[in-house]
Amino acid sequence: DAGVTQSPTHLIKTRGQHVTLRCSPISGHKSVSWYQQVLGQGPQFIFQYYEKEERGRGNFPDRFSARQFPNYSSELNVNALLLGDSALYLCASSPRGGFNYGYTFGSGTRLTVV
Amino acid sequence: TQLLEQSPQFLSIQEGENLTVYCNSSSVFSSLQWYRQEPGEGPVLLVTVVTGGEVKKLKRLTFQFGDARKDSSLHITAAQPGDTGLYLCAVNDYKLSFGAGTTVTVRA
Repeated sequence: DAGVTQSPTHLIKTRGQHVTLRCSPISGHKSVSWYQQVLGQGPQFIFQYYEKEERGRGNFPDRFSARQFPNYSSELNVNALLLGDSALYLCASSPRGGFNYGYTFGSGTRLTVV
Repeated sequence: TQLLEQSPQFLSIQEGENLTVYCNSSSVFSSLQWYRQEPGEGPVLLVTVVTGGEVKKLKRLTFQFGDARKDSSLHITAAQPGDTGLYLCAVNDYKLSFGAGTTVTVRA
Protein backbone atom coordinates (compact mmCIF):
# COMPACT_ATOMS: atom_id res chain seq x y z
CA ASP A 1 0.00 0.00 0.00
CA ALA A 2 1.26 3.44 -0.87
CA GLY A 3 2.00 5.74 2.02
CA VAL A 4 1.52 9.48 2.04
CA THR A 5 2.99 10.91 -1.14
CA GLN A 6 4.11 14.48 -1.57
CA SER A 7 5.24 16.36 -4.64
CA PRO A 8 7.55 17.83 -5.58
CA THR A 9 10.32 16.56 -3.29
CA HIS A 10 12.46 19.66 -3.74
CA LEU A 11 11.67 23.13 -5.01
CA ILE A 12 13.59 26.39 -5.41
CA LYS A 13 11.60 29.61 -5.73
CA THR A 14 12.40 33.31 -5.78
CA ARG A 15 11.11 35.79 -3.23
CA GLY A 16 7.67 37.08 -4.16
CA GLN A 17 6.71 34.02 -6.16
CA HIS A 18 3.88 31.63 -5.47
CA VAL A 19 4.18 27.90 -4.77
CA THR A 20 1.79 24.94 -4.72
CA LEU A 21 2.63 21.77 -2.84
CA ARG A 22 0.65 18.57 -3.25
CA CYS A 23 -0.21 15.65 -0.99
CA SER A 24 -1.98 12.34 -1.53
CA PRO A 25 -3.07 10.65 1.71
CA ILE A 26 -3.11 6.95 2.44
CA SER A 27 -6.06 5.28 0.76
CA GLY A 28 -9.06 5.46 3.06
CA HIS A 29 -7.70 8.36 5.10
CA LYS A 30 -9.99 11.35 5.05
CA SER A 31 -7.96 13.85 7.05
CA VAL A 32 -4.89 15.72 5.82
CA SER A 33 -2.73 18.08 7.86
CA TRP A 34 0.13 20.33 6.81
CA TYR A 35 3.19 21.19 8.88
CA GLN A 36 6.20 23.45 8.39
CA GLN A 37 9.55 22.35 9.79
CA VAL A 38 12.45 24.78 9.78
CA LEU A 39 15.94 23.59 10.54
CA GLY A 40 16.50 22.80 14.18
CA GLN A 41 12.84 22.85 15.16
CA GLY A 42 9.94 20.46 15.42
CA PRO A 43 7.16 20.64 12.83
CA GLN A 44 4.68 23.50 13.26
CA PHE A 45 1.00 22.98 12.48
CA ILE A 46 -0.37 24.95 9.51
CA PHE A 47 -3.74 23.43 8.53
CA GLN A 48 -5.96 20.41 9.02
CA TYR A 49 -8.67 19.36 6.60
CA TYR A 50 -11.28 16.64 7.12
CA GLU A 51 -13.91 15.74 4.57
CA LYS A 52 -12.88 18.76 2.48
CA GLU A 53 -13.49 21.23 5.27
CA GLU A 54 -10.90 23.19 7.23
CA ARG A 55 -10.84 21.87 10.79
CA GLY A 56 -8.00 23.92 12.16
CA ARG A 57 -5.45 26.56 11.30
CA GLY A 58 -2.13 27.32 12.95
CA ASN A 59 -0.49 30.68 13.52
CA PHE A 60 0.48 31.37 9.91
CA PRO A 61 -0.24 34.46 7.79
CA ASP A 62 -2.98 34.62 5.18
CA ARG A 63 -0.35 34.04 2.49
CA PHE A 64 -0.77 30.38 3.39
CA SER A 65 -3.88 28.62 2.13
CA ALA A 66 -4.92 25.07 1.47
CA ARG A 67 -7.73 22.96 0.18
CA GLN A 68 -8.81 19.33 0.07
CA PHE A 69 -10.29 17.70 -2.98
CA PRO A 70 -13.10 15.10 -3.26
CA ASN A 71 -10.50 12.32 -3.52
CA TYR A 72 -9.03 13.62 -0.20
CA SER A 73 -5.79 14.81 -1.77
CA SER A 74 -4.70 18.27 -0.74
CA GLU A 75 -2.78 21.32 -1.91
CA LEU A 76 -0.91 23.87 0.15
CA ASN A 77 -0.45 27.25 -1.49
CA VAL A 78 1.93 29.97 -0.36
CA ASN A 79 1.83 33.42 -1.96
CA ALA A 80 4.41 36.20 -1.94
CA LEU A 81 7.20 33.91 -0.77
CA LEU A 82 9.65 35.20 1.82
CA LEU A 83 13.13 33.89 2.59
CA GLY A 84 11.76 32.73 5.93
CA ASP A 85 9.35 30.37 4.18
CA SER A 86 12.30 28.12 3.36
CA ALA A 87 11.54 24.89 5.18
CA LEU A 88 10.49 21.28 4.92
CA TYR A 89 6.73 21.10 4.37
CA LEU A 90 5.20 17.92 5.69
CA CYS A 91 1.82 16.41 4.97
CA ALA A 92 0.24 13.95 7.39
CA SER A 93 -2.85 11.83 6.91
CA SER A 94 -5.10 10.05 9.37
CA PRO A 95 -8.33 8.08 9.06
CA ARG A 96 -10.14 10.97 10.71
CA GLY A 97 -9.12 14.12 12.45
CA GLY A 98 -8.79 14.14 16.19
CA PHE A 99 -6.60 12.98 18.98
CA ASN A 100 -7.60 9.33 18.94
CA TYR A 101 -5.99 8.70 15.59
CA GLY A 102 -2.38 8.36 14.65
CA TYR A 103 -0.85 10.40 11.88
CA THR A 104 1.30 9.09 9.02
CA PHE A 105 3.68 11.60 7.50
CA GLY A 106 4.99 11.91 3.99
CA SER A 107 8.67 12.55 3.28
CA GLY A 108 8.00 16.22 2.73
CA THR A 109 8.75 18.92 0.18
CA ARG A 110 11.97 20.84 0.74
CA LEU A 111 11.26 24.46 -0.29
CA THR A 112 14.14 26.87 -0.72
CA VAL A 113 13.35 30.54 -1.30
CA VAL A 114 16.21 32.61 -2.74
CA THR B 1 7.26 29.62 24.59
CA GLN B 2 7.35 25.94 23.68
CA LEU B 3 4.52 23.85 25.07
CA LEU B 4 6.93 20.93 25.24
CA GLU B 5 10.57 21.33 26.25
CA GLN B 6 12.93 18.59 25.11
CA SER B 7 16.39 17.95 26.47
CA PRO B 8 19.13 17.61 25.65
CA GLN B 9 19.08 19.32 22.28
CA PHE B 10 21.91 17.16 20.95
CA LEU B 11 23.29 13.81 22.08
CA SER B 12 26.21 11.92 20.58
CA ILE B 13 27.14 8.50 21.95
CA GLN B 14 29.11 5.42 21.03
CA GLU B 15 27.40 2.27 19.82
CA GLY B 16 26.41 0.08 22.75
CA GLU B 17 25.89 2.92 25.22
CA ASN B 18 22.57 3.84 26.78
CA LEU B 19 20.81 7.19 26.46
CA THR B 20 17.78 9.00 27.82
CA VAL B 21 15.95 11.98 26.33
CA TYR B 22 13.35 14.03 28.14
CA CYS B 23 10.15 15.84 27.31
CA ASN B 24 8.77 18.25 29.91
CA SER B 25 5.88 20.67 30.25
CA SER B 26 4.03 22.66 32.88
CA SER B 27 0.75 21.44 31.40
CA VAL B 28 -1.08 18.18 32.01
CA PHE B 29 -1.79 16.05 28.97
CA SER B 30 -4.26 13.28 28.31
CA SER B 31 -1.66 11.55 26.16
CA LEU B 32 1.72 12.11 24.59
CA GLN B 33 3.38 10.70 21.50
CA TRP B 34 7.00 10.06 20.52
CA TYR B 35 8.21 10.22 16.92
CA ARG B 36 11.56 9.55 15.25
CA GLN B 37 12.56 11.49 12.16
CA GLU B 38 15.45 10.49 9.94
CA PRO B 39 17.11 12.96 7.57
CA GLY B 40 15.00 13.59 4.47
CA GLU B 41 11.99 11.81 5.90
CA GLY B 42 8.86 12.68 7.83
CA PRO B 43 8.41 11.78 11.50
CA VAL B 44 7.38 8.21 12.24
CA LEU B 45 5.19 7.46 15.25
CA LEU B 46 6.94 5.25 17.81
CA VAL B 47 4.47 5.15 20.69
CA THR B 48 1.53 6.85 22.38
CA VAL B 49 1.43 6.94 26.19
CA VAL B 50 -1.89 7.71 27.84
CA THR B 51 -1.80 6.72 31.52
CA GLY B 52 0.19 8.49 34.23
CA GLY B 53 3.11 6.28 35.26
CA GLU B 54 2.75 4.13 32.15
CA VAL B 55 5.83 2.37 30.81
CA LYS B 56 5.91 1.03 27.27
CA LYS B 57 8.69 -0.96 25.65
CA LEU B 58 9.48 -1.20 21.98
CA LYS B 59 12.46 -3.55 21.60
CA ARG B 60 15.40 -1.55 23.06
CA LEU B 61 13.31 1.60 23.53
CA THR B 62 11.52 2.27 26.82
CA PHE B 63 8.99 5.10 27.10
CA GLN B 64 7.67 6.45 30.37
CA PHE B 65 4.84 8.88 31.07
CA GLY B 66 5.17 10.82 34.30
CA ASP B 67 2.74 10.17 37.13
CA ALA B 68 1.37 13.70 36.81
CA ARG B 69 1.17 13.39 33.00
CA LYS B 70 3.36 16.47 32.55
CA ASP B 71 6.53 14.79 31.38
CA SER B 72 7.88 11.79 29.54
CA SER B 73 11.18 10.11 28.85
CA LEU B 74 12.63 7.84 26.21
CA HIS B 75 15.44 5.47 27.14
CA ILE B 76 17.42 3.54 24.56
CA THR B 77 19.45 0.56 25.70
CA ALA B 78 22.58 -0.51 23.82
CA ALA B 79 22.14 2.12 21.12
CA GLN B 80 22.91 1.22 17.52
CA PRO B 81 23.76 3.46 14.55
CA GLY B 82 20.25 2.79 13.23
CA ASP B 83 18.88 4.67 16.24
CA THR B 84 20.36 7.89 14.86
CA GLY B 85 17.71 10.51 14.23
CA LEU B 86 15.65 13.37 15.58
CA TYR B 87 13.41 12.27 18.47
CA LEU B 88 10.30 14.38 18.86
CA CYS B 89 7.63 14.35 21.52
CA ALA B 90 4.20 15.69 20.65
CA VAL B 91 0.78 16.34 22.09
CA ASN B 92 -2.13 15.30 19.92
CA ASP B 93 -5.22 17.45 20.47
CA TYR B 94 -6.50 17.04 16.87
CA LYS B 95 -3.34 18.78 15.75
CA LEU B 96 0.16 17.75 16.74
CA SER B 97 2.18 20.18 18.83
CA PHE B 98 5.81 19.12 18.79
CA GLY B 99 8.77 19.88 20.95
CA ALA B 100 11.96 21.07 19.25
CA GLY B 101 13.40 17.55 19.37
CA THR B 102 16.59 15.85 20.45
CA THR B 103 19.10 15.00 17.73
CA VAL B 104 20.69 11.66 18.57
CA THR B 105 23.84 10.46 16.84
CA VAL B 106 25.11 6.95 17.52
CA ARG B 107 28.70 6.45 16.36
CA ALA B 108 29.80 3.02 15.18
